[in-house]
Amino acid sequence: EDKVVQSPLSLVVHEGDTVTLNCSYEVTNFRSLLWYKQEKKAPTFLFMLTSSGIEKKSGRLSSILDKKELFSILNITATQTGDSAVYLCAVAMNRDDKIIFGKGTRLHILP
Amino acid sequence: KAGVTQTPRYLIKTRGQQVTLSCSPISGHRSVSWYQQTPGQGLQFLFEYFSETQRNKGNFPGRFSGRQFSNSRSEMNVSTLELGDSALYLCASSFPGMEETQYFGPGTRLLVL
Repeated sequence: EDKVVQSPLSLVVHEGDTVTLNCSYEVTNFRSLLWYKQEKKAPTFLFMLTSSGIEKKSGRLSSILDKKELFSILNITATQTGDSAVYLCAVAMNRDDKIIFGKGTRLHILP
Repeated sequence: KAGVTQTPRYLIKTRGQQVTLSCSPISGHRSVSWYQQTPGQGLQFLFEYFSETQRNKGNFPGRFSGRQFSNSRSEMNVSTLELGDSALYLCASSFPGMEETQYFGPGTRLLVL
């Protein structure tokens, strides 16, 4: 059965800390791995990763994929209270263009 | 450019009723996917429509159905509502061939009493 597992499920850190969110997957016909940020309602797209070892970076956020070990990490450095959100990992598959989401990591940044 | 819109934003129904939710994709997007989000199960895929045809379906009972119109707007219907159907229903649209970069709507929060 195809699955995407995120850890930890929740995380509380202080402003300024660095956090690492994990996403592991077991799917057939992997095509890409996606990260989203969900604050109140609509998830917003962060990154799409298709190749191993190539870091994608956007400001204080970065992500990397390991297709051999079947996982990805999302790093956030110098966290701010505005980073508080649920971070969703999803995997897109070639078979039927299906996308499976993990349950998310709820991140709370304390001021 | 207007984003994905969903109506209604909030809905309260009772068990046994049926409900229809609407999603208008971003102009030019022809693929629309529907998801159910609950605290316990996270974001679960319901179905995807492309050019008025259901292309993918998740593991939900037949009470959940959908359709897409020629202008790419989509509706989903849930019949014989159960308490467990209370959730946030999100739709997402994308350009053909770029399904990974979906744009999500604000969702419809459904409460079944």
